[in-house]
Amino acid sequence: AQKVTQAQTEISVVEKEDVTLDCVYETRDTTYYLFWYKQPPSGELVFLIRRNSFDEQNEISGRYSWNFQKSTSSFNFTITASQVVDSAVYFCALSEARNTGTASKLTFGTGTRLQVTL
Amino acid sequence: KAGVTQTPRYLIKTRGQQVTLSCSPISGHRSVSWYQQTPGQGLQFLFEYFSETQRNKGNFPGRFSGRQFSNSRSEMNVSTLELGDSALYLCASSPGGGGLGNNEQFFGPGTRLTVL
Repeated sequence: AQKVTQAQTEISVVEKEDVTLDCVYETRDTTYYLFWYKQPPSGELVFLIRRNSFDEQNEISGRYSWNFQKSTSSFNFTITASQVVDSAVYFCALSEARNTGTASKLTFGTGTRLQVTL
Repeated sequence: KAGVTQTPRYLIKTRGQQVTLSCSPISGHRSVSWYQQTPGQGLQFLFEYFSETQRNKGNFPGRFSGRQFSNSRSEMNVSTLELGDSALYLCASSPGGGGLGNNEQFFGPGTRLTVL
């Protein structure tokens, strides 16, 4: 069975601080995908990144960066110079890789609520 | 390109009633998945449809059902509503079409269902 653990329930930082959100996963699949989604108060899940299991390169997109380490089954997300607009709940998710043309079921972590204050 | 749309956005029902929620995927997307989000259970997978066929189903009772139409629009139905069905129901749209790269899912704004 797949499992995603986000141990940090809530994090509060002051604007411009860097913050790292942790994600640890469990799966028996050799090929899988990892995702991060952002959920602002409006409720919509906003896609941030997808990473497949055979690509361990870290990725940077503006103030966002992701550190994928297969050896520790972790896929951590760092926001550099946080801003108030980053306040949201962030979810890490895992899915199997299916070659059937259909979407795979996403297994979500419990989310980390990030509060950025001035 | 328009995003995923869900209707209605808010719904209030009473126990025992039934409800139908609608989801229109991104144009060209053929796969639609449904998720339930509650404070207690978090985000849980309900089911996924591709080309009008249910391809995968989560661990929910038979009161939860869905379908997909030829234009890829999907509906989910919950019969005999219970208080515990109060939740945010999210629909996700995915391209489909074959290959390992087609499972990127884009979510709609959700339908918030309150059961009284």
